[in-house]
Amino acid sequence: GAVVSQHPSWVICKSGTSVKIECRSLDFQATTMFWYRQFPKQSLMLMATSNEGSKATYEQGVEKDKFLINHASLTLSTLTVTSAHPEDSSFYICSPSEPASYGYTFGSGTRLTVV
Amino acid sequence: ELKVEQNPLFLSMQEGKNYTIYCNYSTTSDRLYWYRQDPGKSLESLFVLLSNGAVKQEGRLMASLDTKARLSTLHITAAVHDLSATYFCAVEGIYGNKLVFGAGTILRVKS
Repeated sequence: GAVVSQHPSWVICKSGTSVKIECRSLDFQATTMFWYRQFPKQSLMLMATSNEGSKATYEQGVEKDKFLINHASLTLSTLTVTSAHPEDSSFYICSPSEPASYGYTFGSGTRLTVV
Repeated sequence: ELKVEQNPLFLSMQEGKNYTIYCNYSTTSDRLYWYRQDPGKSLESLFVLLSNGAVKQEGRLMASLDTKARLSTLHITAAVHDLSATYFCAVEGIYGNKLVFGAGTILRVKS
């Protein structure tokens, strides 16, 4: 159980454009999804928590207008990086909030490179 | 605020040797997780430690949790090259189920 599909796995975009990352829960209903960001050679930092049918909760220092999170259904949460800049280049990972017996599951991650 | 300290940050080992990675955390919690990350990949769950004194083993890796000392260890026995990866501990706060990650330990096992 707790299979999470994340797409795309990598994306290169130009500065100023927007990129949407999708995270789908394939075999369970995720009422809450965590979104993490990981810069090279660093740890994971929680960006925001998305809740199905309501507004996301953002961690301190994360721009909510830049990182738009939508959790319209129990199986899909999306993160849109708007007006991307090179400093947004990072590895973005989603994780449903309900831990399985073997721990929290993580999506396969999305490598975003903004040029 | 929950803080998680992991050390060492970098570990270079010879094959066949033993070593321990330490994970300290600052506030009460009884849920601690260990993950492995290979370059360019996402996280793979290794261990879930849910109570004081919990000990789990899988192959050459053994993890333990001391909630009173707020300390978890990941012990590597007779390291092999395939264990080369980055290892993270993560602690779940008592309010809600957010995870706070340690900085990670880059493990390199040399032949």
